[in-house]
Amino acid sequence: KQEVTQIPAALSVPEGENLVLNCSFTDSAIYNLQWFRQDPGKGLTSLLLIQSSQREQTSGRLNASLDKSSGRSTLYIAASQPGDSATYLCAVMDSNYQLIWGAGTKLIIKP
Amino acid sequence: GAGVSQTPSNKVTEKGKYVELRCDPISGHTALYWYRQSLGQGPEFLIYFQGTGAADDSGLPNDRFFAVRPEGSVSTLKIQRTERGDSAVYLCASSFGDGTNSPLHFGNGTRLTVT
Repeated sequence: KQEVTQIPAALSVPEGENLVLNCSFTDSAIYNLQWFRQDPGKGLTSLLLIQSSQREQTSGRLNASLDKSSGRSTLYIAASQPGDSATYLCAVMDSNYQLIWGAGTKLIIKP
Repeated sequence: GAGVSQTPSNKVTEKGKYVELRCDPISGHTALYWYRQSLGQGPEFLIYFQGTGAADDSGLPNDRFFAVRPEGSVSTLKIQRTERGDSAVYLCASSFGDGTNSPLHFGNGTRLTVT
C-alpha cells in the first residue's frame, strides 16, 4: 500500500532564505508526483507535476526533483517571501489513477 | 469563472439528514475527483469519474455515500443519514484526460458540519 510522508510537519524561516521540503513514498509504481500549496480555508493550488520519467520541474522560484528509485522528492523554494507561507502537500498518482497524499508541511516565512 | 466551482461553500446539517454537494468542473475536463479533508491531514480519495462513469469508487466509506455525474460535467456527492464523523471539507478536482499528464485543479471545497 502506497504511503506518502512529508518532513518536517512545520517549518519557520526568515524571509529571503532558500529552503527544502521533503516528500517520501513507499511504492515506486507511480504515474507522477505533484506538489500543491493550500492556503487556510482554500482549496489546493497545483505548483508542479513531475512525470515518472522525469527528474525535475521548475517554475519560477520553485524547483521540484524526483528520485523514483529511492522514493523521494524535494521541493526547493528560492529566496522565500512572506507570501510563500502556506501548507505544502505532495501527492503521488498510483497505478489506479488515485492521488495518495502526504499530510503536508506548514511553512511560515517570517518578514 | 474558469476554475472549479463548489457549492455550497459551507453546509451545516443535523445528524441523520441528507445532503448534496455540487461540483462544477472546468469546461472540457473529463476527469473529476472527489476528496475529503480533515484538519491537519492530506485529502482522502473518495471517487473518480472519467466522463459520466465512476471509474473508481473504492474510496467511498460506506453505502451512505453516493456520487453522480450524469452528463459528464457537473457532479453531485450525496450523503444519506449524515453522521458527526462525516464532518470535513469535501474537495472536488478536475483534469484533462486521466490526470496522469496534467495537474488536478481543485475547487475551494464545501465545509460540511454535522451537528
